[in-house]
Amino acid sequence: DADVTQTPRNRITKTGKRIMLECSQTKGHDRMYWYRQDPGLGLQLIYYSFDVKDINKGEISDGYSVSRQAQAKFSLSLESAIPNQTALYFCATSGGTGDQPQHFGDGTRLSIL
Amino acid sequence: GENVEQHPSTLSVQEGDSAVIKCTYSDSASNYFPWYKQELGKRPQLIIDIRSNVGEKKDQRIAVTLNKTAKHFSLHITETQPEDSAVYFCAATNNDYKLSFGAGTTVTVRA
Repeated sequence: DADVTQTPRNRITKTGKRIMLECSQTKGHDRMYWYRQDPGLGLQLIYYSFDVKDINKGEISDGYSVSRQAQAKFSLSLESAIPNQTALYFCATSGGTGDQPQHFGDGTRLSIL
Repeated sequence: GENVEQHPSTLSVQEGDSAVIKCTYSDSASNYFPWYKQELGKRPQLIIDIRSNVGEKKDQRIAVTLNKTAKHFSLHITETQPEDSAVYFCAATNNDYKLSFGAGTTVTVRA
């Protein structure tokens, strides 16, 4: 979905650096999510937000933080990056009730050396 | 929380044959079950979903079945084509807006 845009698409950085991944959407959805995908594994939920004032931890939130700057924007930060945070990161959005599909961005490939 | 298990992890089929992927879930309150297809280097894309008030749903060559009693659901792809080669993920949610994903099935369609 071009309606869910992630930046940057690729990032290589060093251990200890602060990294911010950004996600913006034009779908008008209230709910936004950050996932991590490791090779050969499914998608693990890092954080999710139901509206601008609502932030919730997912399965693997340690080492990450998020900010919901507006309905359309949800950013993920790694305060002090470590090599085992090397992964593919996806942002997703959903609307309506709980039984609505999530729509994913193109992903950010993050490598930490 | 919800735990979704997916089998098999890899599946190789001859073009034209059928492919079946099975998932089980743990939370009996789960009521929405989407399936996503992810091509190499691309985003996951929804291909079909089913809600707990139906037992089967079909969309052209793709079908999904749900057995709430046994807490399992399956994806069926008929007449497979090379473009069906991808990783497929099942997921489940109990209306708390969080999807729990299976680990994925890598499907390879042999020409």
